[in-house]
This record gives sequence, C-alpha cells and structure tokens, in this order.
Amino acid sequence: DTGVSQNPRHKITKRGQNVTFRCDPISEHNRLYWYRQTLGQGPEFLTYFQNEAQLEKSRLLSDRFSAERPKGSFSTLEIQRTEQGDSAMYLCASSKQRQGAGETQYFGPGTRLLVL
Amino acid sequence: GQQLNQSPQSMFIQEGEDVSMNCTSSSIFNTWLWYKQDPGEGPVLLIALYKAGELTSNGRLTAQFGITRKDSFLNISASIPSDVGIYFCAGSVTGANSKLTFGKGITLSVRP
Repeated sequence: DTGVSQNPRHKITKRGQNVTFRCDPISEHNRLYWYRQTLGQGPEFLTYFQNEAQLEKSRLLSDRFSAERPKGSFSTLEIQRTEQGDSAMYLCASSKQRQGAGETQYFGPGTRLLVL
Repeated sequence: GQQLNQSPQSMFIQEGEDVSMNCTSSSIFNTWLWYKQDPGEGPVLLIALYKAGELTSNGRLTAQFGITRKDSFLNISASIPSDVGIYFCAGSVTGANSKLTFGKGITLSVRP
C-alpha cells in the first residue's frame, strides 16, 4: 500500500508567477485534504474533497488559491500570482470515510514553496 | 483559527527517560490523532484515538483520549535518539468535513 505522494517536493518561484502542486492519495481513499504549514505552527486546513466534489473551500486563503480533483483520484492545488507570504509547506492528506466513525488522515511529504 | 494547546514548546530529556505530552482544547473532538514530524517532511501518524477514555499503545508510545473529549496525552517510554522531532496533536469532529485542527507542536530533544 503506497502512501500519499506529493510533487514537486520543493518549488522556488518569483513573485507573480503561478505554481501548481500535485497530490496522489492512498488508493481507495475517497477523501483528500490540503493543509498549509508555516514555520513554528501546526498545519492549517485549506480545503477538502470527497471523491471529486470539493465540499469545503472557504478556508482557502484568497481567490488566488484553487484546487481540483477532476476524477476523484489525484488533486492539484494552484496558486496564481504568488506573493512572498505564500511561502510555506503545503501538505496533502487522504483518508477513507467511515460511516459514523472517526477517520484517520495520512499525510504526504509536502511541497515546500519559496516565493522570492 | 482555532488551535489546540500544546506546551511547553520544547522538551529536553535524557536518553532512556520517559516523557509525557499533553494536548487540550476548548472544543470537543471525537477523534484525536498524534503525529511526529521531522524537518522538511510531512507528519507521520503515531496513534489514533476514536473513543473517550480509550488508551492505545504503539510500541513505546501510549496515548489516551480524555474523558471530557477536550484533551489527550501521549507518553513515550525509554526514549531513544530517533525520538527527536516535533510532536503534534490533532483533533477532528466526525461529519461532512473531518478536517484536522492541530496544536503548535512540541519539539523533543533527546540527549544521548
């Protein structure tokens, strides 16, 4: 059972450029979450998908952020017109929904973004 | 946004010692998870707790889900150098969005 994978692992970009990150969840996990982590903090929730449906996106930081999961498998997170404040670790997690029971989220290795 | 409370920020222990970490919340959760994170990597799941009062072990690690559902603790026994890292607690509420709310983490250092 392969774990969650994320690509790229590192991204350096200039302010104003667009960047896209990819997440491949554990197979058969129907839920996929994106989090953002800055230095000295725990991960903070951004958005999540159940299968291909994006059910919560109000925590995306601005309209420059968007996410997709077109076929209910892998997901992409795009940041348009990047700003220096977007520099952070972007984490993806996946889980299998269990009716009436708690679920366990498994994280990928993250994509570290540096905006110059 | 809401965060769970973890303190102190850093802990320094001698190899072989036991260590206990606490996590508290002002809100009720029905799932508590403990993760360990190494620099530049994603959080790795250590223990998952799903029921109030539940006590679960994973090797040298033991964690408990508080009766009030507002706290959890993690114990590490007989620490070894590879226990070094940042330990995060996280809570979620089962439902349409089981997003995790994290603490700020505790950085553990183990002196050989």
